[in-house]
Amino acid sequence: ETGVTQSPTHLIKTRGQQVTLRCSSQSGHNTVSWYQQALGQGPQFIFQYYREEENGRGNFPPRFSGLQFPNYSSELNVNALELDDSALYLCASSLPHRTGELFFGEGSRLTVL
Amino acid sequence: GQQLNQSPQSMFIQEGEDVSMNCTSSSIFNTWLWYKQEPGEGPVLLIALYKAGELTSNGRLTAQFGITRKDSFLNISASIPSDVGIYFCAGPGMDSNYQLIWGAGTKLIIKP
Repeated sequence: ETGVTQSPTHLIKTRGQQVTLRCSSQSGHNTVSWYQQALGQGPQFIFQYYREEENGRGNFPPRFSGLQFPNYSSELNVNALELDDSALYLCASSLPHRTGELFFGEGSRLTVL
Repeated sequence: GQQLNQSPQSMFIQEGEDVSMNCTSSSIFNTWLWYKQEPGEGPVLLIALYKAGELTSNGRLTAQFGITRKDSFLNISASIPSDVGIYFCAGPGMDSNYQLIWGAGTKLIIKP
């Protein structure tokens, strides 16, 4: 059984740039959620995708967008990067109706300079 | 919005000691989840609780869903070095089942 994989693991961008983060869900899981984790804090929900559609969204601006593909993999895109976007971005997959039981990848550490 | 408050913020313990940490909220949660995160890794689910009063164990870990549905605790018995990490409580938001609300975590450090 393949776990959740994310890429890249680390990246550095400058303010105003755009970034795309990628996630492959665990085998058999069709629901993908993205979380932002600032240093020393718990994860904050960005959005969730199910059947290639956004299923719910947290308190993040529209410059945070995503996609889910037919194979359930997903992308998180962030436009017009700000310094405060520096964080660990976590992708988690789950089965539908068991959305509390998340399986996380190792995360993508984004630094915005 | 809903918040989860975890205490203590950090714990320094000796190997072999028992550990207790808790999570409280001013609002009701219908599910309580406990995750552990180690450096460089994503959180890993330890225990899921679905009923008020439920007491569930996973090896040396035991968690309880408070009767008021506003709190939960996690105990670790006879701690070992690999227990080091940050322990988070989480629960689904009232507005949606898909969004998990997370506490700020309890950092467990084992003194050599």
